[in-house]
Amino acid sequence: GQQVMQIPQYQHVQEGEDFTTYCNSSTTLSNIQWYKQRPGGHPVFLIQLVKSGEVKKQKRLTFQFGEAKKNSSLHITATQTTDVGTYFCAGFYSGAGSYQLTFGKGTKLSVIP
Amino acid sequence: EPEVTQTPSHQVTQMGQEVILRCVPISNHLYFYWYRQILGQKVEFLVSFYNNEISEKSEIFDDQFSVERPDGSNFTLKIRSTKLEDSAMYFCANQRGGRETQYFGPGTRLLVL
Repeated sequence: GQQVMQIPQYQHVQEGEDFTTYCNSSTTLSNIQWYKQRPGGHPVFLIQLVKSGEVKKQKRLTFQFGEAKKNSSLHITATQTTDVGTYFCAGFYSGAGSYQLTFGKGTKLSVIP
Repeated sequence: EPEVTQTPSHQVTQMGQEVILRCVPISNHLYFYWYRQILGQKVEFLVSFYNNEISEKSEIFDDQFSVERPDGSNFTLKIRSTKLEDSAMYFCANQRGGRETQYFGPGTRLLVL
């Protein structure tokens, strides 16, 4: 079946350091979404990328979608303790009527103050 | 921001018992989803529901599972005969249009003993 691989599984950083998580799919994605889940919480939508090579920024967060639409990354500049949580990528695969989001396993970010 | 609500927040049940998890979706959102997340693991797609019928389901969504929207408002997930491995957090999600932002509810934590 279709799978989205996400690395690393865990990341511990000092506050102020940068953080990056990567997602990779073996097949082309229609679009990709990123979610953040705080400990004990539910996934909260961050952003959606649709176009090949797209780059979007939200304050300290930069999201990229690969040219082949098979990979994506989320980069956080100068992490803060409020960035703690698990970041999931989730992709839609091409195909009429396919509305199933396939989630990566997530990257759990810990920020040491 | 629109909110999805879910009840109950926690459910403890005996193996073999039936459970019904409820979701109150966002009005005017046409697509409905159920996901589950086993503790510490990724979010897994169970089923999507559109126009009063299942549009997609995963291999997890076997004959023990069913969904319905009985009163045109609430969206329910029923597990007919629970198993120990059904213990997980179950999230309902809504989407206004196909492949748009999915809004997740706070989840129901199901524990099967």
